[in-house]
Amino acid sequence: NAGVTQTPKFQVLKTGQSMTLQCAQDMNHEYMSWYRQDPGMGLRLIHYSVGAGITDQGEVPNGYNVSRSTTEDFPLRLLSAAPSQTSVYFCASISTWDRGTFGYGYTFGSGTRLTVV
Amino acid sequence: AQKVTQAQTEISVVEKEDVTLDCVYETRDTTYYLFWYKQPPSGELVFLIRRNSFDEQNEISGRYSWNFQKSTSSFNFTITASQVVDSAVYFCALSEARETSGSRLTFGEGTQLTVNP
Repeated sequence: NAGVTQTPKFQVLKTGQSMTLQCAQDMNHEYMSWYRQDPGMGLRLIHYSVGAGITDQGEVPNGYNVSRSTTEDFPLRLLSAAPSQTSVYFCASISTWDRGTFGYGYTFGSGTRLTVV
Repeated sequence: AQKVTQAQTEISVVEKEDVTLDCVYETRDTTYYLFWYKQPPSGELVFLIRRNSFDEQNEISGRYSWNFQKSTSSFNFTITASQVVDSAVYFCALSEARETSGSRLTFGEGTQLTVNP
């Protein structure tokens, strides 16, 4: 049981390049989401998905695309990288069935540190 | 719109001191979830606790305790007898409890806790 796996861990891009950040989970979680972490701003939601074939925008979606063709995978695409997208990116997932009072929380991947030059 | 405020940007204590991290939240929902996460220097996000809004029972787990007060919209976190290994950034977060938006976590800015030997 690997949890949430993000690749790559580090990436340097040139302005204007495109790339895909990969996220995969093996817990059969319905909900998956992408966050970016910037100094002093906590984590901010980019896009999220409530199941295969369903995605929606979060707080900071501009410049990013997502798709969810399977339950396991939720890739994040940068179409034309900009220096403002330099950040640490986290993918997270959670199951819908856990409604208990002290249930577990979202499982996060280990993050991707992206630098756009 | 939801908002989470962690007014303490940085806290520095000496080992064995007790320390409380404050978290104040805003939401229009009557049912919601509150979370605390720990981010050690290695960068991963470690789930600490989840609390449902309809249960105001306080929680203690070893040296950690949480005080949830719905009347003041606060969910404070206390570490008793702090240790150097507690040094990390701590995030408070809030999510809706609706089926279609379970992926949307709103984070506070984080509190950097440094425990000195």
